[in-house]
Order: sequence, then C-alpha cells, then structure tokens
Amino acid sequence: QVYLVQSGAEVKRPGASLKVSCKASGYTFSGSFMHWVRQAPGQGLEWMGCVNPGNGGTQYAQKFQGRVTMTRDTSISTVYVELSGLTSDDAAVYYCARESGGFDYWGQGTLVTVSS
Amino acid sequence: QAGLTQPPSVSTGLRQTATLTCTGNSNNVGNEGAAWLQQHQGHPPKLLSYRNNNRPSGISERLSASRSGNTASLTITGLQPEDEADYYCSAWDSSLSAWVFGGGTKLTVL
Repeated sequence: QVYLVQSGAEVKRPGASLKVSCKASGYTFSGSFMHWVRQAPGQGLEWMGCVNPGNGGTQYAQKFQGRVTMTRDTSISTVYVELSGLTSDDAAVYYCARESGGFDYWGQGTLVTVSS
Repeated sequence: QAGLTQPPSVSTGLRQTATLTCTGNSNNVGNEGAAWLQQHQGHPPKLLSYRNNNRPSGISERLSASRSGNTASLTITGLQPEDEADYYCSAWDSSLSAWVFGGGTKLTVL
C-alpha cells in the first residue's frame, strides 16, 4: 500500500522560511515524480512544482520561481519543499502528491500558519 | 498562471445524474486531456480519473469522464449523499510547462 506521510503543522513569522517533508513508502520511490500542491483556506488547489526523485530534477511554477526549492533524500524516501520569504498569502495546507497517470496518492497535508 | 474554468457550483437531486465541466485550451485539456479529483472537507483530494477516462482501481463505475475539444466533463450517475464534495479538474499545460487546476465545483446533492 502506498503511503505519503507529511511533517506536522507549522507556525511561521512573516519573512521566515518553511520546510515541509513527505516520506513515501509502499512503492519504488524513484519511479514517480512527486508534486507539491497547496490550498489556501477556503480556496482551490495550486500547483507549486515537482521533483523527480530519480535524478533530483525539478520544475517549479513560475509564481514560485526564486522562492521555492524542492529536494529529495533517496536514502529515506523523502521529498522536501522549502519556501522562503513567507507572507500571509502563503498560509495554506501544503500537500505532496505522487504522479502516476494523475495525482494518484496524496499526503495528509501540512497546515502552515503565517502570523506575527 | 491561467487556470481551467469550472462552474463554482452544481446542484442535482439524489439518484439523479450530474455533469461537471472543465474548460481549458489546446495547450492543456485539448492536448493531453484532464484529470478529475474529489475533495471532501478537511481531507486531501482523491483521484477519480486521469487522461480523460482512466479510472484508478476502486473508483465507482458511476463516474465517467470524457473530453470534447478543449472541454472535459465528469458525469456522475445515481447520485448518493457521499458524492457531495468539491471537484477539481487538472491538466498539464504544455505552453506554461506547468500543471494547472480548475477553481473547483461544489456539488450539492439535494
């Protein structure tokens, strides 16, 4: 069974950086791209980018270019998203999602609050 | 980045049929088709179909997806109370080199 388990909720100050992890199990980690999607309160889904766990290659949404970094650690089957320069607009639930055809498995979500 | 267009809400009666739409352009929906996701309040999204009408295992046969030109559709027959949820479409946009989502449709089962 495929599982994606994310790190816990975070409270950040404006201007700070965020790092969320997503640990995968139940499949070949390097075989599927992993995406990060966020959802602001009461809003829709927003694609942030993806990482290829096989070679570490990344692709980011233009909106987040220069502010986001996605990495992976193959030794522990974990991907990470880092977002810098947080503002109140970055308050959201952050999800990792595996791509296999579509986004077929999702993490449980990590709630990020940005508050001074 | 430009997203896909979905109606904000659809309401249909119990055991009736609902059709949700998602309009994009030739670079996204019209190119590789769309995927559909269902999200219940407080839960992560769940994949219902991908590349127009491929259903993951365990997804009800009451759901079917299709595409006509730049518009994708999700049809749900025999509506049940548990079908009440938010539905999102998504597609790869080759001109943006990005995944794009629709704004979501809230389906209400009357």
